[in-house]
Amino acid sequence: ILNVEQSPQSLHVQEGDSTNFTCSFPSSNFYALHWYRWETAKSPEALFVMTLNGDEKKKGRISATLNTKEGYSYLYIKGSQPEDSATYLCAFQGAQKLVFGQGTRLTINP
Amino acid sequence: DSGVTQTPKHLITATGQRVTLRCSPRSGDLSVYWYQQSLDQGLQFLIQYYNGEERAKGNILERFSAQQFPDLHSELNLSSLELGDSALYFCASSPGTNKNIQYFGAGTRLSVL
Repeated sequence: ILNVEQSPQSLHVQEGDSTNFTCSFPSSNFYALHWYRWETAKSPEALFVMTLNGDEKKKGRISATLNTKEGYSYLYIKGSQPEDSATYLCAFQGAQKLVFGQGTRLTINP
Repeated sequence: DSGVTQTPKHLITATGQRVTLRCSPRSGDLSVYWYQQSLDQGLQFLIQYYNGEERAKGNILERFSAQQFPDLHSELNLSSLELGDSALYFCASSPGTNKNIQYFGAGTRLSVL
């Protein structure tokens, strides 16, 4: 059974602070690691797809890093804003399946 | 708007019944994925189709089936419905098969009473 774990499960951050969270995944049979942002009552929205060890991706104030050898990825948010409040999902893509973690629920306090 | 269309938005039915959920992928996307999100679970991958052919299978029950038609739209058929099948069902599409961003539809909320 593939295990994709995200930590922490939830996080409260003050507006303007920076934060990060972790996705752990199997280090074998790796194809890609996906990050999605999921706001309440909406559908998941893709942030990044990362495929190579050492990959770093950036989109505005959000960035992600990937370590496939040790099986983890970090998502960073710089200068958090209220609109960043959402659940952030990572998904491990193995031989043919996409396995999602349970998500990190981020709440930004104004 | 992701460009992926799912119908209906909501569906209420009774145990033992059969329903069909429909998904139209983004223009040009060949892959369609189906996911289930139950109350106490995260997103569970059900099945993937690529250009009409089944490509990958996840935790899909035998009571569920799917297909992708020549125009690339897909249908997920759920039969002999049980209370536990109540969930949000998402469809996603991507241009190819692997390592592509998936674009999610708005989902179909199924309630089995």
